[in-house]
Amino acid sequence: NAGVTQTPKFQVLKTGQSMTLQCAQDMNHNSMYWYRQDPGMGLRLIYYSASEGTTDKGEVPNGYNVSRLNKREFSLRLESAAPSQTSVYFCASRIITEAFFGQGTRLTVV
Amino acid sequence: QQQVKQSPQSLIVQKGGIPIINCAYENTAFDYFPWYQQFPGKGPALLIAIRPDVSEKKEGRFTISFNKSAKQFSLHIMDSQPGDSATYFCAARENSNYQLIWGAGTKLIIKP
Repeated sequence: NAGVTQTPKFQVLKTGQSMTLQCAQDMNHNSMYWYRQDPGMGLRLIYYSASEGTTDKGEVPNGYNVSRLNKREFSLRLESAAPSQTSVYFCASRIITEAFFGQGTRLTVV
Repeated sequence: QQQVKQSPQSLIVQKGGIPIINCAYENTAFDYFPWYQQFPGKGPALLIAIRPDVSEKKEGRFTISFNKSAKQFSLHIMDSQPGDSATYFCAARENSNYQLIWGAGTKLIIKP
């Protein structure tokens, strides 16, 4: 059982380029999340989806869009990448008592 | 606004010592307090959790102490090992929407 799978694991973008981070979970969870992790700042919530067909902004949504394609998949899109978006991105799915994280995508914007 | 404050930001302990990581919260509408452990290159994973009606919970070498009146909780690692070196996050769950509010993390290094 794979759990939460994120692709790609590493990515380098030039400023202004766009890309989509993919996330899929096989645990039949309703809730899915996108976080970014920066040194000394912990996990900051970008967007979340409480159920298929719904998405909501988190703490730091600017510069990002999301799509909850179906119950399994939740993608994060950067329309015009900026150096401030250099970070490690984590997707997670959740039941009431536990969040399950993917292995992360390390994104560098130059 | 940071609703869960975690300290210290980093911690170095000798093998066998007892590292203690502290968290404090402000919102009384939290009903569940988990700790997550993250190894380099991996996502965080649930380590241990406590509900506010309990003052202490132990799982193996890991203990959570919870002080409801002070709105503080802490993680203790007994007989720490180099393999415990990781980043530790505390969190608090809002009882209205079950969202997790995260502490900033503590990078723990256990020296052999």
